[in-house]
Amino acid sequence: NAGVTQTPKFRILKIGQSMTLQCTQDMNHNYMYWYRQDPGMGLKLIYYSVGAGITDKGEVPNGYNVSRSTTEDFPLRLELAAPSQTSVYFCASSYSAGSGQETQYFGPGTRLLVL
Amino acid sequence: EDQVTQSPEALRLQEGESSSLNCSYTVSGLRGLFWYRQDPGKGPEFLFTLYSAGEEKEKERLKATLTKKESFLHITAPKPEDSATYLCAVQPDFRATDSWGKLQFGAGTQVVVTP
Repeated sequence: NAGVTQTPKFRILKIGQSMTLQCTQDMNHNYMYWYRQDPGMGLKLIYYSVGAGITDKGEVPNGYNVSRSTTEDFPLRLELAAPSQTSVYFCASSYSAGSGQETQYFGPGTRLLVL
Repeated sequence: EDQVTQSPEALRLQEGESSSLNCSYTVSGLRGLFWYRQDPGKGPEFLFTLYSAGEEKEKERLKATLTKKESFLHITAPKPEDSATYLCAVQPDFRATDSWGKLQFGAGTQVVVTP
């Protein structure tokens, strides 16, 4: 099992550009998440999904969009990049049988710099 | 509002010098408290889940404990390879709030162990 994989590892964007951060998991987890991590701050939830076709906003969704067409993939879209979106982005997944989520497993992260 | 506070922010230890990290939390019903380890440039790696006050879990030189208001991560006789940032996260009880499926993370404690 590769676990949770993310691409790219690092990217520089100009203000106003768009990009998609890719996330794939091979653990057959039903829940998937996107977080951002800024220096000195805790991980902040951007969006999450409880299954294919179902997504919901987290704590900091503005400026981002997601889709979940398959169990394995959960891409994160930045439409108009802004300097405030400079951060490290982590994708995570977990399995829940319905009574609440269980342990989240994280990918290696994508470092994004917006200039 | 759910809150997680970790202290200290940074900790420098000599090899073999035991110490404890603190995670204080305020949450409307606790379903679980999670500890993660994060190495520089990598994603968080799962260590422990604690569910109820009085529970303890151990892994090598690490031991996590839980009370109704805080959790401690004890590092016994640390080695340089224990150097990392340790993250704490709480999962609210979905029956108490609308935070179902969402972890609240602390900012982490950065631990450096010198030979």
